[in-house]
Amino acid sequence: EPEVTQTPSHQVTQMGQEVILRCVPISNHLYFYWYRQILGQKVEFLVSFYNNEISEKSEIFDDQFSVERPDGSNFTLKIRSTKLEDSAMYFCASSEMGQGQSSYNEQFFGPGTRLTVL
Amino acid sequence: ELKVEQNPLFLSMQEGKNYTIYCNYSTTSDRLYWYRQDPGKSLESLFVLLSNGAVKQEGRLMASLDTKARLSTLHITAAVHDLSATYFCAVTPWSWGKLQFGAGTQVVVTP
Repeated sequence: EPEVTQTPSHQVTQMGQEVILRCVPISNHLYFYWYRQILGQKVEFLVSFYNNEISEKSEIFDDQFSVERPDGSNFTLKIRSTKLEDSAMYFCASSEMGQGQSSYNEQFFGPGTRLTVL
Repeated sequence: ELKVEQNPLFLSMQEGKNYTIYCNYSTTSDRLYWYRQDPGKSLESLFVLLSNGAVKQEGRLMASLDTKARLSTLHITAAVHDLSATYFCAVTPWSWGKLQFGAGTQVVVTP
């Protein structure tokens, strides 16, 4: 069964360093998302991406964050200068783009990357 | 802004008994999802509810949606230990929009 994959599974970095989190969405999906979950808290939306541009972003997604689809398969989240409060689990999700009200367009989540900023 | 409230936030269940988790949301939503998350793991989709009166069942779990009341329920029948997890509801205002998650309900099932 197709699934969303993410690498690395765990990333440890020093405050102020740049990190790139990688995702491979399900191959026929067209909408991509990043969410994060601080330990023990709820899942928060960061950004959605469609047709090579940002579709929607949250207040969390400031100038320190960027997303890119560098080729036909990968979808990346870059944090330019990490802060302690960026420590969280980051989930990538993807959705197909079915037509019609009855299409589920369900978002399928990857296994996550645990980011630890020291 | 779309707000989602779940309750209870913690639910201690006895095996064999029935329980309900509630999910309220603040404005019109296109669809509602229920996800399960095991500790340290990703989100597993349980149900997608599209329309008023929708009811879906899988094993011991049943989800329903009342769009007029802006309320969804996740009903657990005859709880068993392997249902221990955190359950999230999430809503989106449009088909491919961002998911707004509730705070989650941590479920612990004991003998």
